[in-house]
Amino acid sequence: AQSVSQHNHHVILSEAASLELGCNYSYGGTVNLFWYVQYPGQHLQLLLKYFSGDPLVKGIKGFEAEFIKSKFSFNLRKPSVQWSDTAEYFCAVNAGLYSSASKIIFGSGTRLSIRP
Amino acid sequence: GAGVSQTPSNKVTEKGKYVELRCDPISGHTALYWYRQSLGQGPEFLIYFQGTGAADDSGLPNDRFFAVRPEGSVSTLKIQRTERGDSAVYLCASSSDRGSTGELFFGEGSRLTVL
Repeated sequence: AQSVSQHNHHVILSEAASLELGCNYSYGGTVNLFWYVQYPGQHLQLLLKYFSGDPLVKGIKGFEAEFIKSKFSFNLRKPSVQWSDTAEYFCAVNAGLYSSASKIIFGSGTRLSIRP
Repeated sequence: GAGVSQTPSNKVTEKGKYVELRCDPISGHTALYWYRQSLGQGPEFLIYFQGTGAADDSGLPNDRFFAVRPEGSVSTLKIQRTERGDSAVYLCASSSDRGSTGELFFGEGSRLTVL
């Protein structure tokens, strides 16, 4: 069964610092990968996704993630964070025969706190 | 509606009681998911519907939990003989499989507290 690991539970950065959040998954087959974000008091929303093609994907608000198949990783990056990026970030994987419509497994999340 | 709607937003009940949580997905979305999220954890998969049928219920923790989606739209998650360990936020999400973006649209969640 597939699983997702996020090793950073809480990351604290100052504004303008660079960000990298780790995500590793375990599944040997074709996967779709996602990063979701939950801002304080709001529901989960999609930040970016990888299905196929260019392993470097760009999402909203200047975020990007790189799929490295050999490392089973899909790390999230942002060159310069803002206070408004304070949120909880979840990596997720979707795998299955019809992977576009099968269950999506989430990691435990990384809480990002930005000091103004 | 414009988004996924979940009711109630908050439910406090006593141990041993029966609870129903309702989810109204985005109109036209055929896939519907239930997740459970405990404090400090990521969403834990419970069950996924494609249309009216449960395509994958492997995440339901035991037979006290079951969910229905009789007309392929609204879904109800039912929990019998609630236990304190069932306290969590129950999240519903829907997805369109036309075009297959794989994106889940989440509701605000139903916070269940079992005393």
